[in-house]
Amino acid sequence: GESVGLHLPTLSVQEGDNSIINCAYSNSASDYFIWYKQESGKGPQFIIDIRSNMDKRQGQRVTVLLNKTMKHLSLQNAATQPGDSAVYFCAENMGFNKFYFGSGTKLNVKP
Amino acid sequence: GAGVSQSPSNKVTEKGKDVELRCDPISGHTALYWYRQSLGQGLEFLIYFQGNSAPDKSGLPSDRFSAERTGGSVSTLTIQRTQQEDSAVYLCASSFRTGGQETQYFGPGTRLLVL
Repeated sequence: GESVGLHLPTLSVQEGDNSIINCAYSNSASDYFIWYKQESGKGPQFIIDIRSNMDKRQGQRVTVLLNKTMKHLSLQNAATQPGDSAVYFCAENMGFNKFYFGSGTKLNVKP
Repeated sequence: GAGVSQSPSNKVTEKGKDVELRCDPISGHTALYWYRQSLGQGLEFLIYFQGNSAPDKSGLPSDRFSAERTGGSVSTLTIQRTQQEDSAVYLCASSFRTGGQETQYFGPGTRLLVL
């Protein structure tokens, strides 16, 4: 079956460093991808999205890269801050408003 | 309201009892989604509504789960004869319109514990 998964369950970085969280997807028909951030006890919060006709999109301190050949998605956080510590999920839209989420990567930013 | 709200925030129930979870989406959002999140896991899609209709119910785990939405606003997720494996956080999200490429705004979730 189709799946969305993450390579690294936990990532620790030093404050100020850049971080990269990776995600693999298997459904080549997926045309829309989203990264969410979830802090403890809260619902997921939208960070950035990207459509399949793009390979890069930048936001504020975040960049999402999409490699359709490798079916790989990554989220780059620049100059990480302690407030960036959270669980990050990638999600893919396979159409029909159905989103599949990965199991998440926990990012720990050490002060 | 300012965001998606859910109630109750926490629910402890006994195995076999029915529970009802409520979601108040952002005003004007026509699409509403329910997800389930088990401890340390990602989100499992359950159902989505476009207005009051639910075109896709395939994510509901069993016939003990049902959901409805009235007036294009509030939605309730009902779990009948709860089982221990139903214990999870149930998250609701809404978006302005359907189409799959609009930002979903999530509520804080309802934490359900079935004893």
